Amino acid sequence: DTAVSQTPKYLVTQMGNDKSIKCEQNLGHDTMYWYKQDSKKFLKIMFSYNNKELIINETVPNRFSPKSPDKAHLNLHINSLELGDSAVYFCASSLGTGGSPLHFGNGTRLTVT
Amino acid sequence: EDQVTQSPEALRLQEGESSSLNCSYTVSGLRGLFWYRQDPGKGPEFLFTLYSAGEEKEKERLKATLTKKESFLHITAPKPEDSATYLCAVQPVRGGGNKLTFGTGTQLKVEL
Repeated sequence: DTAVSQTPKYLVTQMGNDKSIKCEQNLGHDTMYWYKQDSKKFLKIMFSYNNKELIINETVPNRFSPKSPDKAHLNLHINSLELGDSAVYFCASSLGTGGSPLHFGNGTRLTVT
Repeated sequence: EDQVTQSPEALRLQEGESSSLNCSYTVSGLRGLFWYRQDPGKGPEFLFTLYSAGEEKEKERLKATLTKKESFLHITAPKPEDSATYLCAVQPVRGGGNKLTFGTGTQLKVEL
């Protein structure tokens, strides 16, 4: 059973389009995250939700909008895609926010042409 | 601002040749330091959390240690299946949430 699952695994789209990535976790965790990994493999946090409440919102263009319908799901919607949005997006979850480890999904590779 | 620097960027070892990976960090108050392993096309896989200087943790051929400025991941008698990118991350005490700052990783290749 996959603990943190993301769909789709690959996403190829054109500039200007709008796309969504979905994430689900079955670990019973209450905190979920979106991280972006660039071409140099650098992982940077974008957003975090705890019990459906947004608690971390890094300096991310407002074209990116996360949504957490419940504790087990966190989606990421991206409007007006740009070339620079091409990256691998990872969803993660943890139990609480006090130093517990994050468990990551296998990523969504977004390519904007 | 929190910073994590990992070295070397890449490391090639022969099977059985032990070595260490370094993670130097700057954080105003460390809540935890995390080690992850990432295989190509996969998400980071959690290995260890270290909370205070002097702490050590072991798992199979891996041993992580922590000082006030750096952490080491020691790999004893590595096997080809240990080949992966190893990532280090820090979580500060301050601020809300569980925000991790990652290094750019050490890409390890173990050859027969």
